[in-house]
Amino acid sequence: DVVLTQTPPTLSATIGQSVSISCRSSQSLLHSNGNTYLHWLLQRPGQSPQLLIYLVSRLESGVPNRFSGSGSGTDFTLKISGVEAEDLGVYYCVQGTHAPYTFGAGTKLELK
Amino acid sequence: EVQLQESGPGLVKPSQSLSLTCSVTGYSITSNYWGWIRKFPGNKMEWMGYISYSGSTSYNPSLKSRISITRDTSKNQFFLQLNSVTTEDTATYYCARQGVYNNWGQGVMVTVSS
Repeated sequence: DVVLTQTPPTLSATIGQSVSISCRSSQSLLHSNGNTYLHWLLQRPGQSPQLLIYLVSRLESGVPNRFSGSGSGTDFTLKISGVEAEDLGVYYCVQGTHAPYTFGAGTKLELK
Repeated sequence: EVQLQESGPGLVKPSQSLSLTCSVTGYSITSNYWGWIRKFPGNKMEWMGYISYSGSTSYNPSLKSRISITRDTSKNQFFLQLNSVTTEDTATYYCARQGVYNNWGQGVMVTVSS
């Protein structure tokens, strides 16, 4: 199975601070069809996960543009440019290139 | 707007079967792929499997032959059955639109305990 290693496991930030989360894959997530199926989710406390970024860098409709994704192959990054209070929760990367599909262990974003 | 809603018992005895329903509104399950994902106590998430628009299925090998995902297109619902459960199957179970995971149910917490 593909292992997604997320770092850091916990992130403490102040409002307005920019932060990044890394997701490294144990194998390339480039599919033979040319797409890279690496997505980012946020699960706020008491809520279901919601999609933020899909296919590495595409912003889901309705998601603020302070969220951005980048990367290729095995290394991916989610950046939040100016944390807001509503951004607190657990962030997951998830891959859909290789079955069985797998999730990172999560990064908990807390207020400092 | 696509909405998904899980339903089913919150308590299952060890060795019995866990059965959940996902009711979908706003989108036909004869389009796209529809999956089950669970979140264990802590943060670990596990993809369990999906059923496609055509009714074909794909399962996580870690669940071996315990899992079955079926559907009722007339009710726009799909179902999860997990057999021979143990306490390690205690988790919150989500249904979601598979692919880029852009739609999720609210989740149902299932405890396996005698």
